Amino acid sequence: KNEVEQSPQNLTAQEGEFITINCSYSVGISALHWLQQHPGGGIVSLFMLSSGKKKHGRLIATINIQEKHSSLHITASHPRDSAVYICAVRSIQGAQKLVFGQGTRLTINP
Amino acid sequence: EAGVTQSPTHLIKTRGQQATLRCSPISGHTSVYWYQQALGLGLQFLLWYDEGEERNRGNFPPRFSGRQFPNYSSELNVNALELEDSALYLCASSLQGGGAWSYNEQFFGPGTRLTVL
Repeated sequence: KNEVEQSPQNLTAQEGEFITINCSYSVGISALHWLQQHPGGGIVSLFMLSSGKKKHGRLIATINIQEKHSSLHITASHPRDSAVYICAVRSIQGAQKLVFGQGTRLTINP
Repeated sequence: EAGVTQSPTHLIKTRGQQATLRCSPISGHTSVYWYQQALGLGLQFLLWYDEGEERNRGNFPPRFSGRQFPNYSSELNVNALELEDSALYLCASSLQGGGAWSYNEQFFGPGTRLTVL
């Protein structure tokens, strides 16, 4: 079993829909990243969080440390949100390395 | 402020050759991390350098090696290339790596796509 599991693996939705991507992890962590990877390959860090909730524009990230679970929400989704979204955790035992989920491929149709 | 830069953008090699990938961290960052994203696989941690020293290594064979220079830039070297080394190699940088309970956010570069023929 992977240390970081994301669901769903693939998600297709219509423009304007509310999107939720989930991330569960099995290790103690000191930080969790939500990353966005566009087809060109470059990665952008959307959020880094260790507790609570963060909001940036139409993106919201939450984390529940006790349940070892985080969610990424996108409100009023747009075709330009189409990308792979990756959850990554920095485990307490991991000496600064990040452990990544397999990613969720999101496609927003106009 | 310039972000993390990587070169080259694309690299094509044949099996058995050596590849050298380069990374320049954000100014002020002393830690550099290398990750591999092979086709169909998730990102895997390769190496972490901090203050010129290798601090941690992922589950990769010794033909994957690197170094960090006094200006904190870094090289990743892959010797005796194999077809399965074809991947996107991402570099990230952060402020000093920190201890077990601290973490400094990692910022990612655009990646180098290595193709082994």
